[in-house]
Amino acid sequence: EPEVTQTPSHQVTQMGQEVILRCVPISNHLYFYWYRQILGQKVEFLVSFYNNEISEKSEIFDDQFSVERPDGSNFTLKIRSTKLEDSAMYFCASAGGARDEQYFGPGTRLTVT
Amino acid sequence: RKEVEQDPGPFNVPEGATVAFNCTYSNSASQSFFWYRQDCRKEPKLLMSVYSSGNEDGRFTAQLNRASQYISLLIRDSKLSDSATYLCAGDTGGFKTIFGAGTRLFVKA
Repeated sequence: EPEVTQTPSHQVTQMGQEVILRCVPISNHLYFYWYRQILGQKVEFLVSFYNNEISEKSEIFDDQFSVERPDGSNFTLKIRSTKLEDSAMYFCASAGGARDEQYFGPGTRLTVT
Repeated sequence: RKEVEQDPGPFNVPEGATVAFNCTYSNSASQSFFWYRQDCRKEPKLLMSVYSSGNEDGRFTAQLNRASQYISLLIRDSKLSDSATYLCAGDTGGFKTIFGAGTRLFVKA
């Protein structure tokens, strides 16, 4: 069964450093998403991406964040200058259509120290 | 009013019980709704989608009530393995999906 994969599973970084989180969506999916979940809190939408551009983003997704699909398979989330409050699980998801079911990857746990 | 709201629970039920969760949404433009289950420190896993009036998959039934703007999830014959947090999610009419905070279910032997 096809699945979304994410690397790394855990990333520890120092405040102010840049991090790139990587995702490989399901191969025939066209819509890609990033979410974050701070420990003990709800899953929060960050951004949706289709046809090589951002479709929609939340107020969390400020200038520190960017997304990219550098090749035909990877989908990345970059945080330019990490803050302590960026510590969270970051989930990538993909879907075949705009309002179709989204399938989630296992997540990257980001710890900012 | 929160965009997607759920009773956090926890719901504590014995094995074999039937349990129902409700989820309300505030955006009348929402078209698609989903139920996910999330185990501790894991990713949300899709349970079922609710596009129109409802959906059934084995012991699980989801219903959508557009007039009252809520969706529900019914679990029949609860198993120990059903213990998890159940998340409802809905689109906002665009390309954004909003999740509720989740309802915790504990099924006891």
